[in-house]
Amino acid sequence: EIVLTQSPLSLPVTPGEPASISCRSSQSLLTSNGYNFLDWYLQKPGQPPQLLIYGGSNRASGVPDRFSGSGSDTDFTLKITRVEAEDVGIYYCMQALRIPLTFGGGTRVEIK
Amino acid sequence: QITLKESGPTLVKPTQTLTLTCTFSGFSLSTAGVGVGWVRQPPGKALEWLALIYWDNNRQYSPSLKTRLTITKDTSKNQVVLTLANMEVVDTATYFCAHRRSMGSFYYMDVWGNGTTVTVSS
Repeated sequence: EIVLTQSPLSLPVTPGEPASISCRSSQSLLTSNGYNFLDWYLQKPGQPPQLLIYGGSNRASGVPDRFSGSGSDTDFTLKITRVEAEDVGIYYCMQALRIPLTFGGGTRVEIK
Repeated sequence: QITLKESGPTLVKPTQTLTLTCTFSGFSLSTAGVGVGWVRQPPGKALEWLALIYWDNNRQYSPSLKTRLTITKDTSKNQVVLTLANMEVVDTATYFCAHRRSMGSFYYMDVWGNGTTVTVSS
């Protein structure tokens, strides 16, 4: 199974400042037609996960443009240009290339 | 508007079989490209994918739980049912169902239910 490793585990952020989360895959998530099968989710406290990014870099419907996904192959990054208080929670990457679908261990984002 | 809601017992005993129902609205599981998945989350831990079922009845399971899991759909009732046999204490978790959408070459889980918490204890 594909293992996803996220870093950091915890990320204290100052509102208005940028933030970045890394997700590294044990296998390539890049297909021969150039698509990356890596999604990002945010789970706010007491809520289900919500989709932020699919296909490595495609923002889901309704997701603010301060969120962006980048990377390819085995290395991916989620960036928030200016963190807002409502962005606190646990961020998960998930690979959608192979069964079983697998999630990273999560990165907890909290306000300083 | 797509919504999903999980239902089932909150407490089960070890060795029992858990049956969870995901009741949804706003889409049909007979539409090409549509699926419903199940994901669980033990207390304080990360997300774990369990199973998927698609419009064409194609089913996919987590290999580590495949012998214990069954996923079925009732298109007329807009429901997906997940059963997990031989429950253990480690199966204590919040169980989520989610709508899986296709967009071009991609599939993703874009709408999730609020989850239902299941405790395994004698």
